[in-house]
Amino acid sequence: GQQLNQSPQSMFIQEGEDVSMNCTSSSIFNTWLWYKQDPGEGPVLLIALYKAGELTSNGRLTAQFGITRKDSFLNISASIPSDVGIYFCAGSSGTYKYIFGTGTRLKVLA
Amino acid sequence: EAGVAQSPRYKIIEKRQSVAFWCNPISGHATLYWYQQILGQGPKLLIQFQNNGVVDDSQLPKDRFSAERLKGVDSTLKIQPAKLEDSAVYLCASSLIGGLAQTYTQYFGPGTRLTVL
Repeated sequence: GQQLNQSPQSMFIQEGEDVSMNCTSSSIFNTWLWYKQDPGEGPVLLIALYKAGELTSNGRLTAQFGITRKDSFLNISASIPSDVGIYFCAGSSGTYKYIFGTGTRLKVLA
Repeated sequence: EAGVAQSPRYKIIEKRQSVAFWCNPISGHATLYWYQQILGQGPKLLIQFQNNGVVDDSQLPKDRFSAERLKGVDSTLKIQPAKLEDSAVYLCASSLIGGLAQTYTQYFGPGTRLTVL
């Protein structure tokens, strides 16, 4: 099945650094969701975006719905060790069906 | 508000055996999804229910996988017989669905990790 492209695939960063990741699609989406998944757990919703250009924050996390509606971005400021995990984007063209990204694996070095 | 519940959390079986997973969605959520997540990949939709009807099962391997949602609440996903390549995490998600985009937001359960030997 189709999956969205996420970049980077993985990253190691120092605690306190800012992190940026993105998700791109060949299709236009009306909704973007960002999830974090810890080992052995289900994905947990971080941020939901419903309008092109929308910028939404959740604590140290900020996500943007790209103007082209074919991409989305997630930033984490001042990373901490518990930010470790896999971050997935998911996009929907306005129906019930979401397509998931390939994931960005984040490791934070203390 | 209670989240999506799934059981069991872990299951180990031998190939050709049968296995069933259970999901209880968030109260009031009409739509329920089953996903398969293979190690290192994002979740892949297997089947979607709205109330007790199937909306999309285009990616469900129907020769061995089946799912039902009796009474429009709990759901079970069954694999019979299991193959080695079925080893994965099976995730259940639910959403409200009511017209507004926000109601399509999916919330996931903890998943069931299946190992087929």
